[in-house]
Amino acid sequence: DVKVTQSSRYLVKRTGEKVFLECVQDMDHENMFWYRQDPGLGLRLIYFSYDVKMKEKGDIPEGYSVSREKKERFSLILESASTNQTSMYLCASSIGTAYNEQFFGPGTRLTVL
Amino acid sequence: QQPVQSPQAVILREGEDAVINCSSSKALYSVHWYRQKHGEAPVFLMILLKGGEQKGHDKISASFNEKKQQSSLYLTASQLSYSGTYFCGTEDDKIIFGKGTRLHILP
Repeated sequence: DVKVTQSSRYLVKRTGEKVFLECVQDMDHENMFWYRQDPGLGLRLIYFSYDVKMKEKGDIPEGYSVSREKKERFSLILESASTNQTSMYLCASSIGTAYNEQFFGPGTRLTVL
Repeated sequence: QQPVQSPQAVILREGEDAVINCSSSKALYSVHWYRQKHGEAPVFLMILLKGGEQKGHDKISASFNEKKQQSSLYLTASQLSYSGTYFCGTEDDKIIFGKGTRLHILP
């Protein structure tokens, strides 16, 4: 079974802190994604990556950056956390070709105070 | 652009049928359907590809009408386990998900 793990289930940070969210997948998937989920807004794509060291902006990249130094790991970075970044963050991965299912991690609920 | 799902929420009794719709303003090449139970990660249900192919998953099936740029998810004889939020996703170079449809099944 594909497994996507995220470093924390719950995280509380203060405004202005630098925050790292880690995601690891164990099925050698080429594609990895970061979403945020807010009530009534669905899943919104922040960044995605098709390969190591490659990244593409999603629909809401402002205030975020990403890093993919190894194929299995995709990190989301909040350079200076703000209260409007309080949200559920979901990581996903998929095989490199198109039209394939995404496997999601359990999510990290981030609260910025 | 985010696909539009309807209805936003629906309450059913066990055994009843439901239809969830997903429409896009852009041409569709594929539509993904996922279900997320409360407190859990979204789980893949099916993908529908251009050509109107209809695929099923137990008593859950879906259709894809490219001309109308829409897809519908059909839940037949709903079970308590069907409760959750259903998301459609339209794929271009990436998947863009709708806002979701909350489904609650009553015993």
